[in-house]
Amino acid sequence: AQSVAQPEDQVNVAEGNPLTVKCTYSVSGNPYLFWYVQYPNRGLQFLLKYITGDNLVKGSYGFEAEFNKSQTSFHLKKPSALVSDSALYFCAVRDNSGNTPLVFGKGTRLSVIA
Amino acid sequence: DAGVTQSPTHLIKTRGQHVTLRCSPISGHKSVSWYQQVLGQGPQFIFQYYEKEERGRGNFPDRFSARQFPNYSSELNVNALLLGDSALYLCASSLLPANYGYTFGSGTRLTVV
Repeated sequence: AQSVAQPEDQVNVAEGNPLTVKCTYSVSGNPYLFWYVQYPNRGLQFLLKYITGDNLVKGSYGFEAEFNKSQTSFHLKKPSALVSDSALYFCAVRDNSGNTPLVFGKGTRLSVIA
Repeated sequence: DAGVTQSPTHLIKTRGQHVTLRCSPISGHKSVSWYQQVLGQGPQFIFQYYEKEERGRGNFPDRFSARQFPNYSSELNVNALLLGDSALYLCASSLLPANYGYTFGSGTRLTVV
């Protein structure tokens, strides 16, 4: 069965500092990996995905994520955090068979402090 | 181009009642998935439909059902509501079930009292 672990419920970072939100996954076969962001009382907004190819994936709003197959990780990063980045971040995985749904982690709340 | 639209945006129901939630996918998208997001948790998969047929079902009781219409819109029905059904219900659409990613609607906030 597929699963995603986001080990941190909350991440606090000062504005202008780099941020990392951690994600590890478990899946049979090759993974498709995603990051979504959720603002209060809103749906999920797509940030970036890893399907194949370059392990460093660049996404929206300056975010990037690095796929590490040996560590089964897909950490979300940004070189310089903004206060407006404060939100709930979800990592998600599915296998590449096309027959399984997208499975989400429990989320990490990012708080960027001015 | 309109995104995924869900209705209603908010809903309050009493225990034991029935509720119907609606979703219109992005134009041209043929697959719709439903997720339940309880406060403080990640979204949990409920159903996926493609071409009006159920393609997957999560670990939810039979009180939950769904269908997809010829225009690819979808309804999620929940019978005999429980307090624990209070959640944000998210609909996601994709061109095909196996597409790389989904586009989510803003959700329906269901409160059961």
